[in-house]
Amino acid sequence: DVKVTQSSRYLVKRTGEKVFLECVQDMDHENMFWYRQDPGLGLRLIYFSYDVKMKEKGDIPEGYSVSREKKERFSLILESASTNQTSMYLCASRPTIVGGGTDTQYFGPGTRLTVL
Amino acid sequence: DQQVKQNSPSLSVQEGRISILNCDYTNSMFDYFLWYKKYPAEGPTFLISISSIKDKNEDGRFTVFLNKSAKHLSLHIVPSQPGDSAVYFCAAMEYGNKLVFGAGTILRVKS
Repeated sequence: DVKVTQSSRYLVKRTGEKVFLECVQDMDHENMFWYRQDPGLGLRLIYFSYDVKMKEKGDIPEGYSVSREKKERFSLILESASTNQTSMYLCASRPTIVGGGTDTQYFGPGTRLTVL
Repeated sequence: DQQVKQNSPSLSVQEGRISILNCDYTNSMFDYFLWYKKYPAEGPTFLISISSIKDKNEDGRFTVFLNKSAKHLSLHIVPSQPGDSAVYFCAAMEYGNKLVFGAGTILRVKS
């Protein structure tokens, strides 16, 4: 059974702290994604990675960085947390699309981050 | 600029009736469309998809319709059940590119 896990369900941090959000998938997928979900804005892509040590900026990368040292693990880093980074963070993975394949992404349960 | 729009933030439907969720897009290069369902405290799960070469795809109680000329797609749920109450996200993709999600529609099915 497909599984994407995220290290924390709820996290409370203070402004200026460095925050690490961890995501692990057990499906041997090449591609991994970090989104944030905000009311009225849906899911917005922060960063994605299509291979180990590779990363690409999404639509809203400012204030974030990522790390992918192993295929199964994709970390999102908030270098200096700010209150406007309070959000639900969702990690997803999918295999590489071949031919007419689909883009079904598998999501983790999310981390609700509050920055005070 | 939102390329995928779900203009109805919420929808309330009686159990057993049809639920229709709508989605509009602006990028004519999108060639694949998906619907995801999300329960509170869980990640989104894939529900149904449609390729741009089709105008309809059906899976049990769920049917997605695509109108390319209008850049519009809709998800029909018949009959609606209380367990269908969730947030529904429309998403679109240009082949090989990333998914673009709409803002979501909260569906409430009343028993």
